[in-house]
Amino acid sequence: NAGVMQNPRHLVRRRGQEARLRCSPMKGHSHVYWYRQLPEEGLKFMVYLQKENIIDESGMPKERFSAEFPKEGPSILRIQQVVRGDSAAYFCASSPDYSQETQYFGPGTRLLVL
Amino acid sequence: AQSVTQLGSHVSVSEGALVLLRCNYSSSVPPYLFWYVQYPNQGLQLLLKYTTGATLVKGINGFEAEFKKSETSFHLTKPSAHMSDAAEYFCAVSVVTGNQFYFGTGTSLTVIP
Repeated sequence: NAGVMQNPRHLVRRRGQEARLRCSPMKGHSHVYWYRQLPEEGLKFMVYLQKENIIDESGMPKERFSAEFPKEGPSILRIQQVVRGDSAAYFCASSPDYSQETQYFGPGTRLLVL
Repeated sequence: AQSVTQLGSHVSVSEGALVLLRCNYSSSVPPYLFWYVQYPNQGLQLLLKYTTGATLVKGINGFEAEFKKSETSFHLTKPSAHMSDAAEYFCAVSVVTGNQFYFGTGTSLTVIP
């Protein structure tokens, strides 16, 4: 049973470009969470999605960031017009239901903005 | 609202010595508590968790943690450190009515031969 998968594992972008980060949850999981880890910091919640619905986006920056979890395919975190401050590790987690008893984390995508 | 404080961003222990990583939490409702380990350039691996029941929780790799409600603490311990324990450790809290995990800033554990 494959775990949470994220790709790419490493992504380099120049300022102003777009970054697309993908997350495939564990099989049977319909709840996806995105977190950001800035250097020397803990993980900060960004957004919580279920299939085709954004449940909680209270941690998402108001501009340039968007997320989706379509009926088919992976969840996508999209960052438009990236800036150097977007450089971070972005982690996806999934859970089988609404319960907050466990979230399973992917290996993360390390984004570097030049 | 929930929050987590990890005292000591860096902890060094000798191989074979006791490991103690501190975590205090704040929550207005009964919490779920977690410890995750992160090796360099990797994701988070669950070490152990407390949801309900026994307050002393045993996890993988010989780690355990005790939920102390009166002290709002969930400290992580291991009787004897191994070189392979060197990593970043994160404490996290969630609640049954919430939508997210709240993480501490992490403790980097160094094991000295």
